[in-house]
Amino acid sequence: DAKTTQPTSMDCAEGRAANLPCNHSTISGNEYVYWYRQIHSQGPQYIIHGLKNNETNEMASLIITEDRKSSTLILPHATLRDTAVYYCIARPSFGNEKLTFGTGTRLTIIP
Amino acid sequence: NAGVMQNPRHLVRRRGQEARLRCSPMKGHSHVYWYRQLPEEGLKFMVYLQKENIIDESGMPKERFSAEFPKEGPSILRIQQVVRGDSAAYFCASSPSSGDEQYFGPGTRLTVT
Repeated sequence: DAKTTQPTSMDCAEGRAANLPCNHSTISGNEYVYWYRQIHSQGPQYIIHGLKNNETNEMASLIITEDRKSSTLILPHATLRDTAVYYCIARPSFGNEKLTFGTGTRLTIIP
Repeated sequence: NAGVMQNPRHLVRRRGQEARLRCSPMKGHSHVYWYRQLPEEGLKFMVYLQKENIIDESGMPKERFSAEFPKEGPSILRIQQVVRGDSAAYFCASSPSSGDEQYFGPGTRLTVT
C-alpha cells in the first residue's frame, strides 16, 4: 500500500471549515484514498473515500488533486464533536482488504 | 440497522488466563476484520475472515492468538495464556464484501494484571 503523510496536529475554530491535507505521492492507479477518524477511545469511523474524482457526503468532502499525489478532507462547519484523530489511507481496490493506519492528524476544534 | 457489536467492552484477565473477544458484524456483512491498538499507538491489522474461512492472518502473532468466524454466531478472537503486553483495545470491523468500506465496533479493552 502507498505510504501517506499527514501533519501531526491541527487546530480549527468551531464553525469554520477544517481542511486536512494528506500526501500520497506514491499512490498507484488502483488505490483509493480512504479517510477514517477516531474520536477518543472509540472505534474508527468511516468518513469518505475516492479514487480520482472529488467526493461529497453528509459528513465531508474529499478533494483529490489531478495527479492524485495529494488530497484534502474538508469538514465544512467544524463542531467540537469533530475533535478526533483523522487517518488518510491508500488502499487497493482489490487484493488487499486490510486498512493500514498511520499516525494520522490530531484535529482539535477550538470553541 | 444495528452497528458492529463487540463484547465484552472491558475485560480483565490475570496473566496466564484465556481471553475471548466476540464480534457480531452488521446485518448482511460476511467479512470481519480484527485490529489491535496498543496504548498510545496506532491501529494494527490482525486478521481478516469470511464465514468459516481465514483469508489473511498476516498481522496475527504466531503464538497464543487465534480467530474464527463460524457459520452461525459471532466472530471470536481468542488469546491464550495472556501476558501484560496483550493489554490493548481490540477492534472488530465488518464489510458486506471485500474491498468495501469497513465499519468498526466500539472495541474491547483488555487489561492483563
